[in-house]
Amino acid sequence: GAGVSQSPSNKVTEKGKDVELRCDPISGHTALYWYRQSLGQGLEFLIYFQGNSAPDKSGLPSDRFSAERTGGSVSTLTIQRTQQEDSAVYLCASSLAAGELFFGEGSRLTVL
Amino acid sequence: GQNIDQPTEMTATEGAIVQINCTYQTSGFNGLFWYQQHAGEAPTFLSYNVLDGLEEKGRFSSFLSRSKGYSYLLLKELQMKDSASYLCAVRDWNYGQNFVFGPGTRLSVLP
Repeated sequence: GAGVSQSPSNKVTEKGKDVELRCDPISGHTALYWYRQSLGQGLEFLIYFQGNSAPDKSGLPSDRFSAERTGGSVSTLTIQRTQQEDSAVYLCASSLAAGELFFGEGSRLTVL
Repeated sequence: GQNIDQPTEMTATEGAIVQINCTYQTSGFNGLFWYQQHAGEAPTFLSYNVLDGLEEKGRFSSFLSRSKGYSYLLLKELQMKDSASYLCAVRDWNYGQNFVFGPGTRLSVLP
């Protein structure tokens, strides 16, 4: 597609359930990023992929969070045993090697 | 580590000029970016500086001083649609191609 695509756009889940968030980057973009944004707050870095490898996982908040990228394209962010503090908008972005970030519309996660 | 600071909120009048400042501390500076984010929407790219000086793009300009760890975004002829959050982000060699974002400045443009 023309832009970064994320799904689902909205997800409501119960505490303790697992969720998967998907990101389809712009075709040809080698770098892919996941950020989290709580209401009224800035962007919190989670993880970054160059190709299929993740050189920087330092932002993942806990071992309940994991992410993978396959085929140098689609990425999945998985949150296990969700907690209420995981509620946020999860933003994915992609870029060419040295270019600016292009963001998707985000996945809004609400944990009840 | 990295540290990026911006004012939390600013208010300006339609038609006026506003300057949003950003200061940063990073050991492997590799570019500074400004993004605009309207409420409930994704951030969109505004400007990029890697060398010192002013980059002008229509009503928006961005300035960088690497020695001072300082940048500003200048918005001229403000319009109501400019009400948004403005995010400063630094790319750092020491973190691969990772971008670190500041907290954002919420700008309100009043009639």
